[in-house]
Amino acid sequence: EVQLVESGGVVVQPGGSLRLSCAASGFTFDDYTMHWVRQAPGKGLEWVSLISWDGGSTYYADSVRGRFTISRDNNKNSLYLQMKSLRTEDTALYYCAKDLGSSGWSMDDWGQGTLVTVSS
Amino acid sequence: DIQMTQSPSSLSASVGDRVTITCRASETISIYSNWYQQKPGKAPKLLIYGAFNLQSGVPSRFSGTGSGTDFTLTISSLQPEDFATYYCQQSFKTPSTFGQGTRLEIK
Repeated sequence: EVQLVESGGVVVQPGGSLRLSCAASGFTFDDYTMHWVRQAPGKGLEWVSLISWDGGSTYYADSVRGRFTISRDNNKNSLYLQMKSLRTEDTALYYCAKDLGSSGWSMDDWGQGTLVTVSS
Repeated sequence: DIQMTQSPSSLSASVGDRVTITCRASETISIYSNWYQQKPGKAPKLLIYGAFNLQSGVPSRFSGTGSGTDFTLTISSLQPEDFATYYCQQSFKTPSTFGQGTRLEIK
């Protein structure tokens, strides 16, 4: 059974930094592209970033490019999101998601999310 | 960025009804459209990928059609567990983008 467990969400001040982690199990982690998706309280889904199976390709939403960095450690079956220069609008539940592996990017397994609150 | 516009934003229907939700892309995305269901307090669930492919384990009352800019999600006969919010997503180019969501409520 695929399990994705996010951690690292806390309350942080505007301008601060944070690193989220996602521990993966139940599948061959280094075979799959991985994603971060976020959801602000009471709002819709926003795709944040993806990283290819080997970490060689990364992509970002315009709203986070230059401030967030996605990475992975295939030896530890872990996905990360380094967040800096945080803004109040970054407040959201952050989900880690596994790519289905078909052409195009669709997310077939999701964690339960970790809450990031940016507030003074 | 490609914008995905869903309609309607909300919908009231009864158990047994046939329901269709549409999603329009701001430019052509071939068949790179996916659909998700999200229930309150839960993570999203993949229903349809590649416009019309039913994800494993998803009931056959869910179906997807479309290509280019216009896509639909149809639920052939609503069941009580289908009342949720539905999102489309384009995966044709980055940044990937979601529609704003369609909230399906019990009439």
